[in-house]
Amino acid sequence: GAGVSQSPSNKVTEKGKDVELRCDPISGHTALYWYRQSLGQGLEFLIYFQGNSAPDKSGLPSDRFSAERTGGSVSTLTIQRTQQEDSAVYLCASRGGGASGNTIYFGEGSWLTVV
Amino acid sequence: GENVEQHPSTLSVQEGDSAVIKCTYSDSASNYFPWYKQELGKRPQLIIDIRSNVGEKKDQRIAVTLNKTAKHFSLHITETQPEDSAVYFCAASQYSTLTFGKGTMLLVSP
Repeated sequence: GAGVSQSPSNKVTEKGKDVELRCDPISGHTALYWYRQSLGQGLEFLIYFQGNSAPDKSGLPSDRFSAERTGGSVSTLTIQRTQQEDSAVYLCASRGGGASGNTIYFGEGSWLTVV
Repeated sequence: GENVEQHPSTLSVQEGDSAVIKCTYSDSASNYFPWYKQELGKRPQLIIDIRSNVGEKKDQRIAVTLNKTAKHFSLHITETQPEDSAVYFCAASQYSTLTFGKGTMLLVSP
């Protein structure tokens, strides 16, 4: 596609429920990232996928968070037993090689509100 | 891991003035330093980047400088306009994960 696509754009869920957030990276991009941005805060790294390599999960805040990337393309971030502190914008980004080199392109984000 | 510090956290300028945002990084192996602009409710978008083999890069009203020895880099915006108002993030990277600063909210008053 033309850009990084994320769904849903907005999600309101009850505390304790599980949520899944989806990311479609730019076609051909081998690297995919998830970041979290709380209101008025910076960009917190969560997880990084590169090709077929084992993902870098070092940023996941707890074992309630997990992510997978199927077929080297679409990624799903899952948050189990959501808590109010999980409320944030979850940003997906992708990076390709070639002329764009290291440039990381972000999606519009999924706004998660836990009530 | 990499640690990026960004200052100031907020910056208010008058239209037409210059604005400077500074960042320091900790990992001497980092070799790629992008700057992102994020308008309210929008995605972060790359505005300029610099690699460690270059000391300065300019694109119209924006420029970035890099001092590898001191491990700091700066964003310079000249002739600021109200539409420059946004949050600006610096970042540092080697080959994989970008580590971001906490952001600078720039407000340009007409």
